[in-house]
Amino acid sequence: QVQLVQSGADVEKPGASVRISCKASGYTFIDYYIHWVRQAPGQGLEWMGWINPHSGGRNPAQKFQGRVTMTRDTSSNTAYMELRRLESADTAVYYCARGGEGYCSGDKCHSRLLFDSWGQGTLVTVSS
Amino acid sequence: DIQLTQSPSSLSASVGDRVTITCRASQNIGTYLNWYHQKPGKAPKLLIYAASALQSGVPSRFSGSGSVTDFTLTISSLQPEDFATYYCQQSHTAPLTFGGGTKVEIK
Repeated sequence: QVQLVQSGADVEKPGASVRISCKASGYTFIDYYIHWVRQAPGQGLEWMGWINPHSGGRNPAQKFQGRVTMTRDTSSNTAYMELRRLESADTAVYYCARGGEGYCSGDKCHSRLLFDSWGQGTLVTVSS
Repeated sequence: DIQLTQSPSSLSASVGDRVTITCRASQNIGTYLNWYHQKPGKAPKLLIYAASALQSGVPSRFSGSGSVTDFTLTISSLQPEDFATYYCQQSHTAPLTFGGGTKVEIK
């Protein structure tokens, strides 16, 4: 079965960087986008960007451009997300999620831009 | 950016009730609208994609409808495991965005 296993919780000081890993199993890693989504305590969901593991192409949300780097290692089926210049507002649970199949049946599209499997989440706390 | 407005923000219901949640998009997104639910301390789970298609393994009491800007998620008979927060998400245009969530609580 599809599984995404993320690295453990992290505490960082303001101005530091954090790197989260997301190891995929149960499917062909390069065939599906990996998205990153975060959720601040008690808040809703915020999309950060995607990476295409096949090509390495990526599309970070404009809000995070210049501060986020998404990479992948196809030899270990692992995606990574690094967020730099952390501030307290970055305290959140960070999720990786697999994109959809990328096919359409009639007008029903299981788009690459939806999230059909999720990691367990990684809590990042930014505190001095 | 495409804004998604969910209503209500919370509701109280009993087991067996029919529950309806709405999601309105700020512009035409066709049927590129997906629904998730999230239980406390857990990751979200995909329920409905493309406005009305049931994700594999999701019970048939969940259904979705709508297109263009107005969408609905319906739970035909609420079960104890359905008490959660529900989110809509548009997959039409980056940046991908979510609705603010609807918390379904036990009456």
